[in-house]
Amino acid sequence: DAKTTQPNSMESNEEEPVHLPCNHSTISGTDYIHWYRQLPSQGPEYVIHGLTSNVNNRMASLAIAEDRKSSTLILHRATLRDAAVYYCILGTSGTYKYIFGTGTRLKVLA
Amino acid sequence: AAGVIQSPRHLIKEKRETATLKCYPIPRHDTVYWYQQGPGQDPQFLISFYEKMQSDKGSIPDRFSAQQFSDYHSELNMSSLELGDSALYFCASSFQTGGNEKLFFGSGTQLSVL
Repeated sequence: DAKTTQPNSMESNEEEPVHLPCNHSTISGTDYIHWYRQLPSQGPEYVIHGLTSNVNNRMASLAIAEDRKSSTLILHRATLRDAAVYYCILGTSGTYKYIFGTGTRLKVLA
Repeated sequence: AAGVIQSPRHLIKEKRETATLKCYPIPRHDTVYWYQQGPGQDPQFLISFYEKMQSDKGSIPDRFSAQQFSDYHSELNMSSLELGDSALYFCASSFQTGGNEKLFFGSGTQLSVL
């Protein structure tokens, strides 16, 4: 299984942008890059995913490096409700499993 | 909108007992995934089903079994429970997959083994 590497924790001030990095140097050409987040005592929640091009949705933006060996989840204005563990996961074509690594615990300071 | 429903929300069992966790996917979703999350740990993939057939297997103990039924709901059966099985068990569903599908997670079943 292709692996992802993320920092254990990050801090951000409220209302400021947050850039959460992820390394996936062994990614294959057909692997999708997914981001999920898990708020305390809740199930993981989908944030965004993409293959090669940068992606935007109402929650966040996903910037994918040209060689696809890394990506960055961008929260444009962090709020206290964005405090969560963020997971970068690879979705492999032809498989039905998404392996969670050790995500990044985001702390948002008021 | 309908979400993934898991039952029960909480379950308390004694060692060596059996437990059955149920998962009802979002309507029209045909793929179900099971995850185990121990205290302070990250979710661990256990097993998945697509169109009622087992698809992929992760770190699922031999004491556990699962299946997906004709109405696409799934059950995780756990036998000879051990203290270490105490965890939050999540089910997720998607419409097909191939790496390009969003997973929708339920609220989980908290299993406590005493």
